Amino acid sequence: GAVVSQHPSRVICKSGTSVKIECRSLDFQATTMFWYRQFPKQSLMLMATSNEGSKATYEQGVEKDKFLINHASLTLSTLTVTSAHPEDSSFYICSARQGQGYGYTFGSGTRLTVV
Amino acid sequence: ILNVEQSPQSLHVQEGDSTNFTCSFPSSNFYALHWYRWETAKSPEALFVMTLNGDEKKKGRISATLNTKEGYSYLYIKGSQPEDSATYLCALPLGNQGGKLIFGQGTELSVKP
Repeated sequence: GAVVSQHPSRVICKSGTSVKIECRSLDFQATTMFWYRQFPKQSLMLMATSNEGSKATYEQGVEKDKFLINHASLTLSTLTVTSAHPEDSSFYICSARQGQGYGYTFGSGTRLTVV
Repeated sequence: ILNVEQSPQSLHVQEGDSTNFTCSFPSSNFYALHWYRWETAKSPEALFVMTLNGDEKKKGRISATLNTKEGYSYLYIKGSQPEDSATYLCALPLGNQGGKLIFGQGTELSVKP
């Protein structure tokens, strides 16, 4: 079945540094990638949607200059948290889709802790 | 705004018990409902996609029903096993293009041997 590999699974970084999270579709072409964030005891909240080769569309309240999304190929999308602060500490997870009519395949998530 | 609610937030049952939980959603502009099973440190696994009012789907000991007129779906697990311990998520697409999924908070199930 379809698999999305997400790395790293856990990362601790210092305040002010940047962190890159990768999602790779291993056996299908991810036309669309969705990036979610989850705070404790809350639901997965969509941050942005990206289509291969296009700029990402960000949800209201999500800073595009802080959360840089690159989806330059059909098998790789990255989320870079720039100048991370403790309030960015959260669980980030990607979900890839081959196209309309196809299901969603999730990565296993990244736990980011900013100290 | 699409508000998806799941209840209960958590559930503790004994091995062999049958259990069920609920996903509630606005009944207007319904397109589809997705159920996922999410074990710790793993990827959410798709269980069912339900689209029609009255739909019933089954996968082994897990089944789901859908009532789009009253805005709810039930997930049932018959004879719970410790390996069923996971968080169960429901999600609905925003709009009929099937793009963005709006998730409920999940129901965390713990099955004790």
